Amino acid sequence: QVQLKESGPGLVQPSQTLSLTCTVSGLSLTSNSVSWIRQPPGKGLEWMGVIWSNGGTDYNSAIKSRLSISRDTSKSQVFLKMNSLQTEDTAMYFCARGSSLAYWGQGTLVTVSS
Amino acid sequence: DVVMTQTPVSLSVAIGQPASISCKSSQSLVGTSGKTYLNWLLQRPGQSPKRLIYLVSKLDSGIPDRFSGSGSETDFTLKISRVEADDLGVYYCLQGTHFPYTFGAGTKLELK
Repeated sequence: QVQLKESGPGLVQPSQTLSLTCTVSGLSLTSNSVSWIRQPPGKGLEWMGVIWSNGGTDYNSAIKSRLSISRDTSKSQVFLKMNSLQTEDTAMYFCARGSSLAYWGQGTLVTVSS
Repeated sequence: DVVMTQTPVSLSVAIGQPASISCKSSQSLVGTSGKTYLNWLLQRPGQSPKRLIYLVSKLDSGIPDRFSGSGSETDFTLKISRVEADDLGVYYCLQGTHFPYTFGAGTKLELK
């Protein structure tokens, strides 16, 4: 059974760096890609980036300069780091299996506020 | 970036009646492999999105055949043959052909 679960700090101060973890089970990161998507409160979905099964990455150009996605295959974890956070980065952050988003985690809410 | 234009923004449908959602892309979604990476997802209230259809018309496991997807190039449609109460929520189309992948703005399905 494929499962993904996001975890993170919940509250981040403006200008600080966000660090999130996506822990997966029921799938191998060496044969599956994982994507990150976010959704501001009451708004639509924004694709952030993907880490491929070979470890390569692709990012949304709109946030590419601030974003980094990496992984630890031995721990079945994928990491998202985004710096210089602003209030408009307040959102629910999701990880999902594959580039076509076949399975999603429950999401973790990140609030950017002082 | 590829712009995905979804219509209508909202849809009010009675149980048992059909529903249809359109998604138009600003450029062709046919990839270099010849495949068309157009997906449909449903986000029920308070839940994560769930993929319903991938590659334009392929139903995910467990998705009832009341749902169907069609289309090509830049013009795509999601149809529900007979709406049930469990179908309410926001439907999104997603293109996975061109980076960055982009979503439609969503169509909210409400029950009449």
